[in-house]
Amino acid sequence: GENVEQHPSTLSVQEGDSAVIKCTYSDSASNYFPWYKQELGKGPQLIIDIRSNVGEKKDQRIAVTLNKTAKHFSLHITETQPEDSAVYFCAASRDTGRRALTFGSGTRLQVQP
Amino acid sequence: DGGITQSPKYLFRKEGQNVTLSCEQNLNHDAMYWYRQDPGQGLRLIYYSQIVNDFQKGDIAEGYSVSREKKESFPLTVTSAQKNPTAFYLCASSLAGRSQETQYFGPGTRLLVL
Repeated sequence: GENVEQHPSTLSVQEGDSAVIKCTYSDSASNYFPWYKQELGKGPQLIIDIRSNVGEKKDQRIAVTLNKTAKHFSLHITETQPEDSAVYFCAASRDTGRRALTFGSGTRLQVQP
Repeated sequence: DGGITQSPKYLFRKEGQNVTLSCEQNLNHDAMYWYRQDPGQGLRLIYYSQIVNDFQKGDIAEGYSVSREKKESFPLTVTSAQKNPTAFYLCASSLAGRSQETQYFGPGTRLLVL
């Protein structure tokens, strides 16, 4: 089955700096890669996703890049703000066979004011 | 958290006791999911249902059971066979059960063993 590895497990940046979180996946048939943000005591919320026919996607201060050959994808947050502090999860899935999301282990991002 | 509600927020289980976690959605979604979250780990899939009266085991189904008698409800029972039930349980739903559709999560239930 699919295996998703996520790094780093914790990340501390100064307000205004950029943050990058990286994930690798094992199943070459995976073709959907969402990113979720989880604030303390709450359920995760989708912040951005990318499909395998696209190499990069941006939404204001966040962007995701995908390298299908290397089987890795990354989340980029620019001009970080204290409210970006949360746990971020990457995930991967395919649209044939078992379709459920497989999640990475999470990255705790702390933005220092 | 959208239109997904989970109750209770905290639940305490005694040894040998079965407990049921509630998940309700008013999004008219066909698919619903249960995940378990442990500290420092990602979400692991317990069970999922793509349509009423049908459900499939996820990666860690042992010690858990579910039912899907109504579209809006997907309760999870943690049985006495689950030896390490302490965790944060998250319910999610999506429109039609295709993996490439956004999953919306509820606020979670934290289960603790007395």
